[in-house]
Amino acid sequence: DAGVTQSPTHLIKTRGQQVTLRCSPKSGHDTVSWYQQALGQGPQFIFQYYEEEERQRGNFPDRFSGHQFPNYSSELNVNALLLGDSALYLCASSLRQINTGELFFGEGSRLTVL
Amino acid sequence: DAKTTQPTSMDCAEGRAANLPCNHSTISGNEYVYWYRQIHSQGPQYIIHGLKNNETNEMASLIITEDRKSSTLILPHATLRDTAVYYCIAGDTGTASKLTFGTGTRLQVTL
Repeated sequence: DAGVTQSPTHLIKTRGQQVTLRCSPKSGHDTVSWYQQALGQGPQFIFQYYEEEERQRGNFPDRFSGHQFPNYSSELNVNALLLGDSALYLCASSLRQINTGELFFGEGSRLTVL
Repeated sequence: DAKTTQPTSMDCAEGRAANLPCNHSTISGNEYVYWYRQIHSQGPQYIIHGLKNNETNEMASLIITEDRKSSTLILPHATLRDTAVYYCIAGDTGTASKLTFGTGTRLQVTL
């Protein structure tokens, strides 16, 4: 049973560029959430997708956007990258029907902005 | 979500029980207490959660005080592989995907 998979694992971008990160949820899960984790900090909630729509959003600017596909996979897009966007981006999946708060996280995509 | 307070770091000898405390004095009646851990360079891993009653699973036990203002996560026989950052989170199932992580407790298990 495949868990949550994310790609790429590492990437380097320069300021002003755009980046797309990808996530495949755990088999059978229909809800995907994205988190940003800066060095030495806990993960911070970006947004959640369910039924291909953004359902909840954290305190992140519009430069952060996402998408969910019919197969439940998801993308996180960040435009006009800033140095402060350097972080580990984590994807978490869950099944909305049994909303117990147990999230399954991927290993993350580490973004470095130069 | 209610704010939680945890010690920055703790040490535990291998084979002994690790008791990780968490204060959540402003927790509301419909908020659960969740525990996750994050081993270095990996994504967070769910451990356990509870509302009022004590809970136990194959990984740990969760003891919640009667007034629900604090809780303790117990790893009964810590091993070196339990070295990680442990996060205590208060939240309701309506926002179960929108977990508010703090900085957690860094548990170091030593020989």
